[in-house]
Amino acid sequence: AQKVTQAQTEISVVEKEDVTLDCVYETRDTTYYLFWYKQPPSGELVFLIRRNSFDEQNEISGRYSWNFQKSTSSFNFTITASQVVDSAVYFCALSEPDSNYQLIWGAGTKLIIKP
Amino acid sequence: EAGVVQSPRYKIIEKKQPVAFWCNPISGHNTLYWYLQNLGQGPELLIRYENEEAVDDSQLPKDRFSAERLKGVDSTLKIQPAELGDSAVYLCASSPGLASYNEQFFGPGTRLTVL
Repeated sequence: AQKVTQAQTEISVVEKEDVTLDCVYETRDTTYYLFWYKQPPSGELVFLIRRNSFDEQNEISGRYSWNFQKSTSSFNFTITASQVVDSAVYFCALSEPDSNYQLIWGAGTKLIIKP
Repeated sequence: EAGVVQSPRYKIIEKKQPVAFWCNPISGHNTLYWYLQNLGQGPELLIRYENEEAVDDSQLPKDRFSAERLKGVDSTLKIQPAELGDSAVYLCASSPGLASYNEQFFGPGTRLTVL
């Protein structure tokens, strides 16, 4: 079974629309970490956020926000007022003791923002 | 501050030839990772170093892949001999701490094409 599921393979929206990227994870550990990375067409993975399992407070950074809900094992990412520069593949990842803290990556969601 | 440096950015070789990739992590980062990324997928860990010690190489195909980080700074990943299926992007990442739950900073990758 996949430990990190990003069910949306590709999302296409028009600029200025809000968009939410879903991430569902699976772990038996009580202490774990969740990450989001962005991979633009240039190829370099860019760290966006890390969240530990004891901190369920939602995070907002400019147009980006993250909703962490342990009850549904989800860590969703919302971009408000999307821009063309947001076009990229976005990866959600899990780090847990059971996997020796290796980053377990989702398959990624390709986000296309049309002008 | 300079990011993770990788070279070369692109490499095209014939099958059965050897190839080597070099990575220089962010200054002061103890942990270094080598990943393989196939098109449309998330990165797959090959090896993780903490300083000069390989602490997780369970997914490194040791019959043809080798890696070293002799002085605990830069690192080299080698494939000998290369096979068609090795065509992929090889990513290097580093993190400041000694555990994988720290955020990782990625280099631009080396795109390998095996003909």
